[in-house]
Amino acid sequence: RKEVEQDPGPFNVPEGATVAFNCTYSNSASQSFFWYRQDCRKEPKLLMSVYSSGNEDGRFTAQLNRASQYISLLIRDSKLSDSATYLCVVNIIGTSYGKLTFGQGTILTVHP
Amino acid sequence: DTGVSQDPRHKITKRGQNVTFRCDPISEHNRLYWYRQTLGQGPEFLTYFQNEAQLEKSRLLSDRFSAERPKGSFSTLEIQRTEQGDSAMYLCASSPGQLSQGYGYTFGSGTRLTVV
Repeated sequence: RKEVEQDPGPFNVPEGATVAFNCTYSNSASQSFFWYRQDCRKEPKLLMSVYSSGNEDGRFTAQLNRASQYISLLIRDSKLSDSATYLCVVNIIGTSYGKLTFGQGTILTVHP
Repeated sequence: DTGVSQDPRHKITKRGQNVTFRCDPISEHNRLYWYRQTLGQGPEFLTYFQNEAQLEKSRLLSDRFSAERPKGSFSTLEIQRTEQGDSAMYLCASSPGQLSQGYGYTFGSGTRLTVV
């Protein structure tokens, strides 16, 4: 079983739609959680951290369910510029270096 | 210096040749990471440095791979006797210290390796 699993998609949605991505992680010791965004042939960039209480950044909302080892990302009012791959990322505190483990990524295409 | 720099951006090499990539992290970051990413996959951890010490190597890092960070600043990743399966994007990232909630890595633009 992969440490971080995501539905690879692709998700094709019209502008203005709401879309949600899910992610599960296998290691219950995981302590930090992130969503990264990666544009085609570019490096991953931090989109947002995921806090236990859930957090929002503009049109983006992240949720964490520790009991189910499940993370989600909700994008409201999708824009064409949201088209990218969204990577679910976890970190296991307790290791000295804080290795980040990435999911496969979920591809989102927003069309006019 | 406002980001992580990697050089070269692209490298095409013949199978069996050696290649070396360079990464310059954000200057105040003492932690440096190498990842490899193939098409359709997320980045996979290769190795990690804290200052000049290499503290972890993935099983993905075969004997043909070696990484150094001699003065705790820039790092190099060398691949000897390249194989077609080494074709990938090699990503370097840095962070200022122990990862904590709210702070991830900063990645460089990557070096895209094609072995022909």
